[in-house]
Amino acid sequence: AAGVIQSPRHLIKEKRETATLKCYPIPRHDTVYWYQQGPGQDPQFLISFYEKMQSDKGSIPDRFSAQQFSDYHSELNMSSLELGDSALYFCASSLTKGWDEQFFGPGTRLTVL
Amino acid sequence: DAKTTQPPSMDCAEGRAANLPCNHSTISGNEYVYWYRQIHSQGPQYIIHGLKNNETNEMASLIITEDRKSSTLILPHATLRDTAVYYCIVTPGGSQGNLIFGKGTKLSVKP
Repeated sequence: AAGVIQSPRHLIKEKRETATLKCYPIPRHDTVYWYQQGPGQDPQFLISFYEKMQSDKGSIPDRFSAQQFSDYHSELNMSSLELGDSALYFCASSLTKGWDEQFFGPGTRLTVL
Repeated sequence: DAKTTQPPSMDCAEGRAANLPCNHSTISGNEYVYWYRQIHSQGPQYIIHGLKNNETNEMASLIITEDRKSSTLILPHATLRDTAVYYCIVTPGGSQGNLIFGKGTKLSVKP
């Protein structure tokens, strides 16, 4: 069965650089969620999209932005990177908002040097 | 803030049932109990969810107390591959759906 695809799987950036993470949801899933998991931490919700519109916002820094495109894939843009942004970033998708289980991707490991 | 309380760690012998408790004493009437697990740095994996009735699927059973203030996830025959952090999450059904992860229980299945 198709799963959530995230790219790249690993990314190394310098401080103050920008990064773009991509997420391709399971086909026919219209809802995408982004989570951040710092070292030794639990996943924290960042932002979600439903039918290409922002649905909910969590603890996402102002330096981060995200969008969902017409093909339902989503991109998380991160600017002015800080050391503390080093984390695993998970994308999840669900068939529709709220009611269904979320299917998580394998994550992107971002390292900021 | 997470609305659930779970023990930080538990051990279970391989082949035995693993019973993972969760307290959610402030749960509201429209809130569901979801269980996810995360195997070492992989993406979290959905296990099961319920509102007030007990639920069973191919992975696990979920027992919710009558007052809905606590629940237990049961893995009937734990294997080494079930070693993971298990998260109990309370969230309103039909809402935005974002998951608020608490501390979870680190389950170690031992041979």
